[in-house]
Amino acid sequence: GAGVSQSPSNKVTEKGKDVELRCDPISGHTALYWYRQSLGQGLEFLIYFQGNSAPDKSGLPSDRFSAERTGGSVSTLTIQRTQQEDSAVYLCASSLGGYGTEAFFGQGTRLTVV
Amino acid sequence: SQQGEEDPQALSIQEGENATMNCSYKTSINNLQWYRQNSGRGLVHLILIRSNEREKHSGRLRVTLDTSKKSSSLLITASRAADTASYFCATPMGDAGNMLTFGGGTRLMVKP
Repeated sequence: GAGVSQSPSNKVTEKGKDVELRCDPISGHTALYWYRQSLGQGLEFLIYFQGNSAPDKSGLPSDRFSAERTGGSVSTLTIQRTQQEDSAVYLCASSLGGYGTEAFFGQGTRLTVV
Repeated sequence: SQQGEEDPQALSIQEGENATMNCSYKTSINNLQWYRQNSGRGLVHLILIRSNEREKHSGRLRVTLDTSKKSSSLLITASRAADTASYFCATPMGDAGNMLTFGGGTRLMVKP
């Protein structure tokens, strides 16, 4: 597809379980972002990948959160031992990279921890 | 910490009226972007304004940028019910300015 694809679109998990969220960026985009958005709130930056550089993980809220980007393309955000406060929409975006370039967003994964 | 902050947080207007949303930021930037979000899902890019531009138009959208005040405004003219959405400003951060950070957004409701 031409856009950023995220899966699953919705995920309900039990507290304490691990979850993996997937993002397929637009082909050729070197930059990839993960954001988290709680209900009615703004976007909280989580992590940023740019090409082969070390990712900027400064936004990850705890060591339960990690992300990988394989082959400079697909990215997986993993949340271990999920907590109820992890419930949110997780948004992925990609861009061509470079200063302040336009970001293209996926439709997000709505995570609910029960 | 967030770079941009929008105000108001929420705005309710009648169809046909104009809607103005403001964004303030903290550090020097080369450009500022506005995005729209429907129903709490993916954001869509609306417009980008560069630091050497003071005003930019796109259809019914008008964006201004005042670098001396570190602020921007988004004006939607002749609003429609379909403009109901949340609007976010985004500014570059990080050493190379590659990362985008977003404000808390303005939730706009346009009543028919």
